[in-house]
Amino acid sequence: AQKVTQAQTEISVVEKEDVTLDCVYETRDTTYYLFWYKQPPSGELVFLIRRNSFDEQNEISGRYSWNFQKSTSSFNFTITASQVVDSAVYFCALSEVYSGGGADGLTFGKGTHLIIQP
Amino acid sequence: ETGVTQTPRHLVMGMTNKKSLKCEQHLGHNAMYWYKQSAKKPLELMFVYSLEERVENNSVPSRFSPECPNSSHLFLHLHTLQPEDSALYLCASSQEGWGILDFTSTDTQYFGPGTRLTVL
Repeated sequence: AQKVTQAQTEISVVEKEDVTLDCVYETRDTTYYLFWYKQPPSGELVFLIRRNSFDEQNEISGRYSWNFQKSTSSFNFTITASQVVDSAVYFCALSEVYSGGGADGLTFGKGTHLIIQP
Repeated sequence: ETGVTQTPRHLVMGMTNKKSLKCEQHLGHNAMYWYKQSAKKPLELMFVYSLEERVENNSVPSRFSPECPNSSHLFLHLHTLQPEDSALYLCASSQEGWGILDFTSTDTQYFGPGTRLTVL
């Protein structure tokens, strides 16, 4: 069975600080996808990044960066120079590739509530 | 990307009512999903439809009944709900391929804004 753990329930930092959100996953598959989503107060889940299990390169997108390490089954998310608009709940999710074809649901972590104080 | 819409955005219903949630995707995707988000719980997958056929039902109570008439529309019919069913119901869609090496698959699910359901 697959599982995603986000141990940090809530993080509060002051604007302009860097912050890292942790994500640890469990899966028996060798082929899978990992995702991060942002959920602002409006409720809609906003897609941030998708990473497949064969690609361990770290990725940077503006102030966002992701560190994928298969050896520790982690896919951590760092926001550099945080801003108030980054305040939201962030979810890490896992999808196992269904080799027979077709769709598969995402397994989500419980989310980390990030609060950026001005 | 805001190609998935959901109506209504808010719904209050009694336990004896029958109502339906609607989801529509404008992304040309071939798979759609219903998720339930309760307070202090992870998002829970309820139903998956791929090419309009249901492929997964995670032991959801029969008082929730999905319907997928075509690849763009997904409904969730509700009847005789319980107060514990109050939650945010999220719809998502994705483009799925057929096999690990099928590069038409993105596996990225795009979500709608959700329907906030309150059962009295």
